[in-house]
Amino acid sequence: DTGVSQNPRHKITKRGQNVTFRCDPISEHNRLYWYRQTLGQGPEFLTYFQNEAQLEKSRLLSDRFSAERPKGSFSTLEIQRTEQGDSAMYLCASEVPGANVLTFGAGSRLTVL
Amino acid sequence: GQSLEQPSEVTAVEGAIVQINCTYQTSGFYGLSWYQQHDGGAPTFLSYNALDGLEETGRFSSFLSRSDSYGYLLLQELQMKDSASYFCAVRAISGNTGKLIFGQGTTLQVKP
Repeated sequence: DTGVSQNPRHKITKRGQNVTFRCDPISEHNRLYWYRQTLGQGPEFLTYFQNEAQLEKSRLLSDRFSAERPKGSFSTLEIQRTEQGDSAMYLCASEVPGANVLTFGAGSRLTVL
Repeated sequence: GQSLEQPSEVTAVEGAIVQINCTYQTSGFYGLSWYQQHDGGAPTFLSYNALDGLEETGRFSSFLSRSDSYGYLLLQELQMKDSASYFCAVRAISGNTGKLIFGQGTTLQVKP
């Protein structure tokens, strides 16, 4: 068990390009979350999965954002047609339901030029 | 909806005691959590209170009053390494599931 792994750690892209982030949770954790964090702010909820089912997606999230967890293990977060306002740290976390402890990955930092 | 309020900054000296308050509004409530985040690092779990009262873990304690929708994190014998951001978080109930919603965070600066 190596914790929650996120890739890439850093991504610089030009406005209008698509980017994809990957998260590998702790193997026995069947709940997986995506959050976005900007400087000086708390993690902002984006979406979460229980196994392969996406249980909720933030209403703040535009249609340019999509997340999948096809086999209930790793997850991907794709941002289409990136905008400068998408620049942030994208955090993935996993937990065992009922444990009330989220384990976060180191995050993927996105910079949109 | 859900909202959490906590002070944006707190400063204290090494060896002192500091209390970080959190008030919340949520449509459903399972419990109050606290997370610590150092600059450039990921949030890490500190404590969870499901019931009223005080939970102690070493130098850190967390308190919850459900009737007041209020909790706090108490840090004793402050050390320089405690300089970090501290977030309270609540589980927001939606159907039979719950997502964790974070406050904006309190930046703690510990001075020598």
